[in-house]
Order: sequence, then structure tokens, then C-alpha cells
Amino acid sequence: DIQMTQSPSSLSASVGDRVTITCQASQDIRNYLNWYQDKPGKAPKVLIYDASDLETGVPSRFSGNGSGTDFTLTINSLQPEDVATYYCQQYDNVPYTFGQGTKLEIK
Amino acid sequence: EVQLVESGGGLVQPGGSLRLSCAASGFSVSSNYMSWVRQAPGKGLEWVSVIYSGGGTYYADSVKGRFTISRDNSKNTLYLQMNSLRAEDTAVYYCARGKKYAGQFDYWGQGTLVTVSS
Repeated sequence: DIQMTQSPSSLSASVGDRVTITCQASQDIRNYLNWYQDKPGKAPKVLIYDASDLETGVPSRFSGNGSGTDFTLTINSLQPEDVATYYCQQYDNVPYTFGQGTKLEIK
Repeated sequence: EVQLVESGGGLVQPGGSLRLSCAASGFSVSSNYMSWVRQAPGKGLEWVSVIYSGGGTYYADSVKGRFTISRDNSKNTLYLQMNSLRAEDTAVYYCARGKKYAGQFDYWGQGTLVTVSS
């Protein structure tokens, strides 16, 4: 199985900050990576697919980068509504696997 | 508009069975990749099973031999039959559609809670 390792596990930042979350795959997954935003009581929402493509309707302050084994999710100009847990997920191989999540809070 | 609505969750004793349903609208379940993903209370996301448009199925090792994914094309509904349930199966279960690739989930339902407890 492909292991997905996210860092950090949690972080606290101020409104307007630039935030970066990293995700490392245990083997080459090309660009077959999604990023999700997860809020309590709601279904996970896809932000980025194919590692760097912005899902329709997602604010442009979200961006993704990377290929192979190393990936990043960046939030430019953090907003209060961005408080959530963020997950990366690979879909190169079954079983599809998720990172352990990064909990983002506002200072 | 694409919509997924899960149902069938509830409280079940260890060793019991439950069947979850996911009613789809705005697209055809039979023409798309469909998965079940779960999230235990306070934990992360775990993929459970996928059914391909061609009918092929795959399962996570943790549920293989106990869970069965299926669909009813006439009802445009996805199912998850869960047998021999264990406490560690307690979770919110989501159905999700594959966008371009089977595991590239774009639409998710709101989830249904399964609690396995005596």
C-alpha cells in the first residue's frame, strides 16, 4: 500500500498569512493526488485534483504543486473560513490512501 | 445538479449486519466509478471500496470478505452490504463519485453514521 505522510499535523496561523502543507508519498504516484478540506459535520470538499488543478468554485488562494512523491498545498492570504482539517489522497493505486490530516487553526 | 444521499446507518451489535444505500441524482451510477469512504469518530479518512463502471470491485484489506459493494442501475443507487461488523467499523460512511479516475473523488454525500456496539 502507498503511505501518505502529511506535515505538519497541526498549525496555527494568522488571517492573511500564507500557509503551506506538505504531503509525501511512499512511492511515485505521478500527479494522481487530491487535496480535500474537511469541516465537522460536512462532507469533505475537494480543493485540488491532479496535484495542481483547482476544482471549479474553489477560491484562487488555494493552490497545489508537486509530482512524483512530494506535494504541497498552499493557502495564500488565510481567511477565517479556512479553519478545517486538510487531507491529501493518492489515486494512483488501490487501495486509495489518505494522509493523516493537517488541522489548521487561526491564531 | 449532482447529489448523493446516504441512508441505512444506525446502531448494530458486533457480529451484526447492515446495508447502506447511496441514492444518486444528476448523473448515472452505472456509468461512473463509485466508492465508499469512512471516517471513524475523531479520526481521518479511510477508503473502503470501489465499483467500476464495468462492474469490477476492490476492497480495503480491513473489510475484505465482510463488505460487498453493489449498485442497482434502475434505482440509480449504490449499496454497501456490511456483515460481521466489528467495533472498529464504527464510522461515518460516505459515498463518493470518481471524477476522471476511480479514486479521484469529486462529489461526496453527507454521510451516514454506523455505530457497532453492544
